[in-house]
Amino acid sequence: GQNIDQPTEMTATEGAIVQINCTYQTSGFNGLFWYQQHAGEAPTFLSYNVLDGLEEKGRFSSFLSRSKGYSYLLLKELQMKDSASYLCAVREDSNYQLIWGAGTKLIIKP
Amino acid sequence: NAGVTQTPKFRVLKTGQSMTLLCAQDMNHEYMYWYRQDPGMGLRLIHYSVGEGTTAKGEVPDGYNVSRLKKQNFLLGLESAAPSQTSVYFCASSAQGWSNQPQHFGDGTRLSIL
Repeated sequence: GQNIDQPTEMTATEGAIVQINCTYQTSGFNGLFWYQQHAGEAPTFLSYNVLDGLEEKGRFSSFLSRSKGYSYLLLKELQMKDSASYLCAVREDSNYQLIWGAGTKLIIKP
Repeated sequence: NAGVTQTPKFRVLKTGQSMTLLCAQDMNHEYMYWYRQDPGMGLRLIHYSVGEGTTAKGEVPDGYNVSRLKKQNFLLGLESAAPSQTSVYFCASSAQGWSNQPQHFGDGTRLSIL
């Protein structure tokens, strides 16, 4: 069956680095998305991976290993505004639908 | 830039009542989606549309109906609301469904069924 696992909650310190992991078990794979969602707001797109390796975008990077069914989102130089939930979503195949993890709530402390 | 606009933002209904949630996008996107988000769970797809005049069922379609009469609008209807439909509903749109084109989300509708 379909399954996406993320840690429920993580805590990190302002200015530090944090890695949020996502593991998936799906019948197919056609891309993985990371979204950020602040409390009470809409999810916003952060990154997309379809090939193995690291995609870097400013303070945020995302890594994918298709053979391991594993991705991580790396956040550097953490700021208080990075306190949010981070959602991992996998597209299984070409049917347009995304399968979503429950999200990781990231708490940033001064 | 309006993006994706949802109406209303909040609503309280009594069991058995009906209502329609409105979603409008101004990005000329072909694909539109309705999700529900519940605590401790990932977003779950209710229905989606791959173009004007088309709709398809997602993961949790029971109790909901949709219509896409115009490309820019996607309506979600609850025919007879039940307490289990208390949730936050998000509409999203994307230019394509199969590439790196991300889904863009509206601000959500918080719906409570008493």
